[in-house]
Amino acid sequence: AQSVTQLDSHVSVSEGTPVLLRCNYSSSYSPSLFWYVQHPNKGLQLLLKYTSAATLVKGINGFEAEFKKSETSFHLTKPSAHMSDAAEYFCVVRTSGNTPLVFGKGTRLSVIA
Amino acid sequence: DAMVIQNPRYQVTQFGKPVTLSCSQTLNHNVMYWYQQKSSQAPKLLFHYYDKDFNNEADTPDNFQSRRPNTSFCFLDIRSPGLGDAAMYLCATSRQGGVNTEAFFGQGTRLTVV
Repeated sequence: AQSVTQLDSHVSVSEGTPVLLRCNYSSSYSPSLFWYVQHPNKGLQLLLKYTSAATLVKGINGFEAEFKKSETSFHLTKPSAHMSDAAEYFCVVRTSGNTPLVFGKGTRLSVIA
Repeated sequence: DAMVIQNPRYQVTQFGKPVTLSCSQTLNHNVMYWYQQKSSQAPKLLFHYYDKDFNNEADTPDNFQSRRPNTSFCFLDIRSPGLGDAAMYLCATSRQGGVNTEAFFGQGTRLTVV
């Protein structure tokens, strides 16, 4: 079985400070992992994905994530938060091409001016 | 730009009155998904298609049906909407075959039941 656990339901940071959104996964096989962002009343947009090519993955809008197999983690980071980063973030796992994406419960990021 | 388009963006329906949500895609992906997302929750998969092969999640209520007449279009039918069906409905597509293939999402349809 595959699953993801997002450790924080809500993270609040000040503008210009680093962002850390935590995600742990559980999978019997080598997974692919994704981070999606959802702004209010919008669909989901892919930030980045891990596909085993490189453990440090760079995404859009300055986000990156590091795959750590020993820790079964795929945390999302950004060096400096911007007001426009305020949104809901979902960590997602897939273990085969024939299985749908499995979502974590999401982390709401608030950015304080 | 190639994309996933959902119509309408906002839908208000009456309790018990059938409603249909639509999704179209220009990506030519053979997999299409319907997710239900309630307030402050993660998207929940209702069903998905691999080409014309329909896959229903075990806990999807019978009240929810889907049609996929061709590669480009997919519909979600709610036969008798209840107040608990008020949610954002998300359509997504992906290519079949690769574990690392991401899903592309539409903007969603916000359904209100009155």
